[in-house]
Order: sequence, then structure tokens, then C-alpha cells
Amino acid sequence: GAGVSQSPSNKVTEKGKDVELRCDPISGHTALYWYRQSLGQGLEFLIYFQGNSAPDKSGLPSDRFSAERTGGSVSTLTIQRTQQEDSAVYLCASSLGQAVNSPLHFGNGTRLTVT
Amino acid sequence: QKEVEQNSGPLSVPEGAIASLNCTYSDRGSQSFFWYRQYSGKSPELIMSIYSNGDKEDGRFTAQLNKASQYVSLLIRDSQPSDSATYLCACDMRFGAGTRLTVKP
Repeated sequence: GAGVSQSPSNKVTEKGKDVELRCDPISGHTALYWYRQSLGQGLEFLIYFQGNSAPDKSGLPSDRFSAERTGGSVSTLTIQRTQQEDSAVYLCASSLGQAVNSPLHFGNGTRLTVT
Repeated sequence: QKEVEQNSGPLSVPEGAIASLNCTYSDRGSQSFFWYRQYSGKSPELIMSIYSNGDKEDGRFTAQLNKASQYVSLLIRDSQPSDSATYLCACDMRFGAGTRLTVKP
């Protein structure tokens, strides 16, 4: 079946603009995760959804970042008033079960560049 | 703060050698442990998962878990140039910074 789908694959935006990143998880996967990866760095955890609720959003860096998930499926990560330090690859992943005990399946990411 | 630490790289080994990658974690309540491989410009892909103390072998890969020491490792036997990548350790949903491995022909 289809894997995790993210759009857009690339996004260039001006400082101060808002952006929306979309993630469509594998069908039937109840858990969904957002990560950020800066160049040459590891994965920075942002938020985790189980169904439509977010039991752990401790990784969101500031109140400019928000995420939602609807219908237990598609998720949107929104960054308001973008800053240059927001430039990174944003990775979405999904898993079949709970956050523990289930390996993550990653999408190809959205490369965000803030100019 | 739940932290996952990996041994600093980069790590370079000759072809055919054993590559050893190490990871420690701070959250004693962590239940699941994973090793992912990430090629340059690509997304991480799962190599191994381990949930209980001891060793788990899958082909050329062996994962080791010691919950008392809060330590996870990955051994790659008979390393191949195609194993050259960044290896990410994950505890539950937290990731380490990764160790870049280069296998030289």
C-alpha cells in the first residue's frame, strides 16, 4: 500500500509568512508524529498524535508552531510568522499502534526554506 | 527531559570489519528501542527493534539492550560500503543525533 505522504516536498517562504505542511499517514495507522531535522542534525521531536488527540506536544519550539489532525488521518503542521531558524526538513511518521512498541514509517519530508 | 545520546562520529571502518554503534538514554521508563538508517538526503528507515534485555540478531545486524545501564548498541558484521549512512538510535519516540558511518572499500 501507499506510504506516508507529505506535501509540499519543498517550500520557500519569506520571513514573517505563515506556512502549512501536510502529512497523510499510512492507512490504518493510529499514531502520527512530526519531527524537524536541521542540516546534519538528528531528529527533533515536535508532536505526537494518537487518533485526533495530541498526548505529547512538548517538542513544539514556540507558540508559533501548531498542529492538528482530523478524522484520525491527515495532519497539518502550521508555522506562523516564520523565522530563518525555522528552515529545516520537517518529517512526518506514522505507526500502527501506540507510540511505544511500534516502529515509525517516515514520509519523504518537506524541506522548508525561510528567506 | 528525555534524552538519547549517541557516540560521537564520524565512524570509519574498512570493508569486512565490525562496526559498533552505541547509544544511552535518560528515561528509565523507555519501553522500545529502535535503530534507523538514514542515507544522505533520504528519510530514516528501520533496521532493528529491540524491547527486552539481551541480544537480537537479524542477518549482519545485532542489537543489544541493557536496561540497567540504559544502554543500546548496534553491531554491523562484515560491513559493506552500502552500509555507509547515518545511524539513528531511538527510544520510544525520541531520537539521538545520529552517528555517521563510512565503510571504506
